[in-house]
Amino acid sequence: TQLLEQSPQFLSIQEGENLTVYCNSSSVFSSLQWYRQEPGEGPVLLVTVVTGGEVKKLKRLTFQFGDARKDSSLHITAAQPGDTGLYLCAGPLYNTDKLIFGTGTRLQVFP
Amino acid sequence: DSGVTQTPKHLITATGQRVTLRCSPRSGDLSVYWYQQSLDQGLQFLIHYYNGEERAKGNILERFSAQQFPDLHSELNLSSLELGDSALYFCASSTHRDSGTAFFGQGTRLTVV
Repeated sequence: TQLLEQSPQFLSIQEGENLTVYCNSSSVFSSLQWYRQEPGEGPVLLVTVVTGGEVKKLKRLTFQFGDARKDSSLHITAAQPGDTGLYLCAGPLYNTDKLIFGTGTRLQVFP
Repeated sequence: DSGVTQTPKHLITATGQRVTLRCSPRSGDLSVYWYQQSLDQGLQFLIHYYNGEERAKGNILERFSAQQFPDLHSELNLSSLELGDSALYFCASSTHRDSGTAFFGQGTRLTVV
């Protein structure tokens, strides 16, 4: 059983389109993180959201933490080929000292 | 550069053998996490050490073990290797014990033949 489910699993879009990736759980997290991973490389942290309902913007990327702190979304505006990669949500599982990762969303942006 | 160093970058070994993967965390980070990533899969949590003490275990096989040394570097030992152990192994470090903010190394690509 995956504690952090992401959807969609794959996304293939044209440059300039908008997209949203979802990260859902039945568990409450004290914080959630979003990472981006390129092939053969380690994941790179994009953002941390801590407060329920929090919205953070990073250029064309908008991250939201659900009010109940069980879910998060990543919205990309006007996607570019450089956004191509594997997007992973993650979070410290409450009271376990485990940092777990979501199932991942593989994004491909075509020029 | 994340500041986390993993060695070796690539490792090819035969079934039944034993290997050791090494991770040096960012300066000042006390937490080290180990993950396994098989082809086109997500990151599977293996184990977490904080300041030399094991804090959490994930789905880590009994053939696998890890430790964190007084200088905070960590090693992941994989023994009796099987073909299915072929994967990317990542370590990540973090300042705190329960933070989700982690910095990853470049990974070790293990191929078992």
